[in-house]
Amino acid sequence: EAGVTQFPSHSVIEKGQTVTLRCDPISGHDNLYWYRRVMGKEIKFLLHFVKESKQDESGMPNNRFLAERTGGTYSTLKVQPAELEDSGVYFCASSLRPEEQYFGPGTRLTVT
Amino acid sequence: QKEVEQDPGPLSVPEGAIVSLNCTYSNSAFQYFMWYRQYSRKGPELLMYTYSSGNKEDGRFTAQVDKSSKYISLFIRDSQPSDSATYLCAMSAPSGAGSYQLTFGKGTKLSVIP
Repeated sequence: EAGVTQFPSHSVIEKGQTVTLRCDPISGHDNLYWYRRVMGKEIKFLLHFVKESKQDESGMPNNRFLAERTGGTYSTLKVQPAELEDSGVYFCASSLRPEEQYFGPGTRLTVT
Repeated sequence: QKEVEQDPGPLSVPEGAIVSLNCTYSNSAFQYFMWYRQYSRKGPELLMYTYSSGNKEDGRFTAQVDKSSKYISLFIRDSQPSDSATYLCAMSAPSGAGSYQLTFGKGTKLSVIP
């Protein structure tokens, strides 16, 4: 069974540019989560999809972040325009049950 | 006060030692308690999870939860160099929106020396 995949693995952009991160969950997992780890901090929750619906987006830092999950399959997280403080590692996780969230390898975003 | 406190280490032990990793937390609503292992430049890998209080064993790994003390532990027996990684504790409770978002500790970096 394929795990959670994320693309790209690393992205370097300039402040003010737009970046789109993609996550492909484990097949059949209705729950999809986005998390972020900024330098020196713990991993923090951003939002949770159940199928194509946003269940909880309380962790989204501001309206420069837009997440979508078309058709309840893959998800994208767009940052527009990117700021320096958006640098970090963005993780996606998927699950059937809340206690078993499986993480992808992450996308390392560097905003210069 | 952070919701989850975890000593970042680093922790260095000789091969074969018993390793004890711990987290404390402040939110009594947490129901699920997980341990993840993360190798450098990789994503967190789910090792074990426990619901509410009690112990759970899986091979060389034992997870303990003491809800009365708000304290969780992960024990690794007969530690191996391949166990060298960062260990993250994580916890969840249903949010107001019905989501079981994970709250993480900062992680403890473990090195097992051959």
